[in-house]
Amino acid sequence: NAGVTQTPKFRILKIGQSMTLQCAQDMNHNYMYWYRQDPGMGLKLIYYSVGAGITDKGEVPNGYNVSRSTTEDFPLRLELAAPSQTSVYFCASSYGSLNTDTQYFGPGTRLTVL
Amino acid sequence: RKEVEQDPGPFNVPEGATVAFNCTYSNSASQSFFWYRQDCRKEPKLLMSVYSSGNEDGRFTAQLNRASQYISLLIRDSKLSDSATYLCVVNPDYGGSQGNLIFGKGTKLSVKP
Repeated sequence: NAGVTQTPKFRILKIGQSMTLQCAQDMNHNYMYWYRQDPGMGLKLIYYSVGAGITDKGEVPNGYNVSRSTTEDFPLRLELAAPSQTSVYFCASSYGSLNTDTQYFGPGTRLTVL
Repeated sequence: RKEVEQDPGPFNVPEGATVAFNCTYSNSASQSFFWYRQDCRKEPKLLMSVYSSGNEDGRFTAQLNRASQYISLLIRDSKLSDSATYLCVVNPDYGGSQGNLIFGKGTKLSVKP
């Protein structure tokens, strides 16, 4: 199993540009998550999904959108990039509820907005 | 009071030392607790869950003190490979909400030869 994969690894965007961060998992996990991690800060939840077709906002959803058309894929869309979105983005998945199940993280996407 | 608070460190210890980290949380209704490990420029990985009775995994021991609202991680016989940032993670369980794990900022450990 590849686990959780993310592309791209690095990206530089100009203000106002848009892009999609890709995330896929091959573990047949129901739950998927997007986090951002700013330097010296804890991870913040952007969006999550409890299954295909179901998404919900996390703590910091503004400026982002997600979709979950399949169990495997959970892309994160930035529509109008802003410098405040410069961060490392981690996708994660878990089989069941986060109350008890381990979250498996992808390797991250380092995004810089100039 | 911040939701999850950790001493950022860094903790610089020699090989073989015993080191302990504490983490405090603000929501007394929190149900689940975890320690994750994050290597430099890598993704977080689960180190261990923390159970009410305390639990041990090899050189690592985690404990929960609900009365004082803190969890701890003890590492015995430190190895160079233990050098990493240790993240305290709490599920505040707001009315059964599924998506709101709270991550601490992490405690950096550096084990020296």
